[in-house]
Amino acid sequence: DSGVTQTPKHLITATGQRVTLRCSPRSGDLSVYWYQQSLDQGLQFLIQYYNGEERAKGNILERFSAQQFPDLHSELNLSSLELGDSALYFCASSVATSWDEQFFGPGTRLTVL
Amino acid sequence: AQSVAQPEDQVNVAEGNPLTVKCTYSVSGNPYLFWYVQYPNRGLQFLLKYITGDNLVKGSYGFEAEFNKSQTSFHLKKPSALVSDSALYFCAVRDISSGSARQLTFGSGTQLTVLP
Repeated sequence: DSGVTQTPKHLITATGQRVTLRCSPRSGDLSVYWYQQSLDQGLQFLIQYYNGEERAKGNILERFSAQQFPDLHSELNLSSLELGDSALYFCASSVATSWDEQFFGPGTRLTVL
Repeated sequence: AQSVAQPEDQVNVAEGNPLTVKCTYSVSGNPYLFWYVQYPNRGLQFLLKYITGDNLVKGSYGFEAEFNKSQTSFHLKKPSALVSDSALYFCAVRDISSGSARQLTFGSGTQLTVLP
């Protein structure tokens, strides 16, 4: 158990809908990262927050947004969902510095029908 | 820009034999290098990292990796493979000198199968 929790484990929804994925980092970790894993794209970095502020942006679509709250938990919002958004979404956390290893949550499997 | 390549999608090895999972990287500055393992329906687990210092890095579960700057490689190794090592392995790199220093780039993954 990495200490990173993600809810829900599974999510099935329809095209055009909006969903929110939630992540609680390990106790003491200030950085939260979001990744998307799919068979065709592999593991893609989406976005990073550090202590409530956006720190780095990767291949995140404009339909997607995230935030980190004062208690350091984070939410990833996916809107106007398309079939191609079906994937595993992982949250990871790390202490602070850029050489710290990241600890991954179990993921949320999103299926868009 | 930073990138990482895992040239083998699949590696098969017999139990008890040594294993190697290959990784090469490209960065404009100096790299931080990581290996992660993913078991089915699980998140990634950290195995080891290279930051600086000794080129041979030892990690969890008997794994080790050798940093080779001239060949820009960071191959994962284990002297004696176990069936339980069968999993998907990811190499990752972060360029400490660029503006994307906080972003980790992952390779495409190598599926390791250890045959009993």
